[in-house]
Amino acid sequence: DTAVSQTPKYLVTQMGNDKSIKCEQNLGHDTMYWYKQDSKKFLKIMFSYNNKELIINETVPNRFSPKSPDKAHLNLHINSLELGDSAVYFCASSQGPPWQQGNSPLHFGNGTRLTVT
Amino acid sequence: GNSVTQMEGPVTLSEEAFLTINCTYTATGYPSLFWYVQYPGEGLQLLLKATKADDKGSNKGFEATYRKETTSFHLEKGSVQVSDSAVYFCALSAPGNTPLVFGKGTRLSVIA
Repeated sequence: DTAVSQTPKYLVTQMGNDKSIKCEQNLGHDTMYWYKQDSKKFLKIMFSYNNKELIINETVPNRFSPKSPDKAHLNLHINSLELGDSAVYFCASSQGPPWQQGNSPLHFGNGTRLTVT
Repeated sequence: GNSVTQMEGPVTLSEEAFLTINCTYTATGYPSLFWYVQYPGEGLQLLLKATKADDKGSNKGFEATYRKETTSFHLEKGSVQVSDSAVYFCALSAPGNTPLVFGKGTRLSVIA
């Protein structure tokens, strides 16, 4: 059983389009995240939700809008895609909030590779 | 601020060689420290952790000891295998309302 699953695995689209990535976790965790990993493998947190409430919103263009319909799902919608948005986007979850990783480490999905042409 | 510095890769080793990947940190208070591993085409997964000074985390033959005096958490393995080829991330969780801080990752390639 996949604990954190995200779809699609690959996404190729043109500049200016709008796209969404979906994420679901079946671990019963309270907190979910979106991370962006660039081509050099640098990992940057974008958003975090705890029980459907936005708790972390890093410096991300407002073209990126997360939505959490319930605590098991966190989707990411991106408007007006740009070339610089090309990256691998990871969804993750943890039982506790982001600042309690000692007792509740992150569980990651396998990533969505977004390519903007 | 809180930060993690890990050695730049790539690191290329022959099978059965000894591995060390250096990691040092800067943090306020007493952080928890982690190593995450990312195998090709997959997400990160927790490899090991240590939550207080002098703790040793271990898993799958990998070890790291939380050294407060040198603010380090170096990853070691006595004999690497081809299947250990991956990107390794050092990370810290500091007290206060801040998320996990990752290092930039170190790619390890093990050749037979």
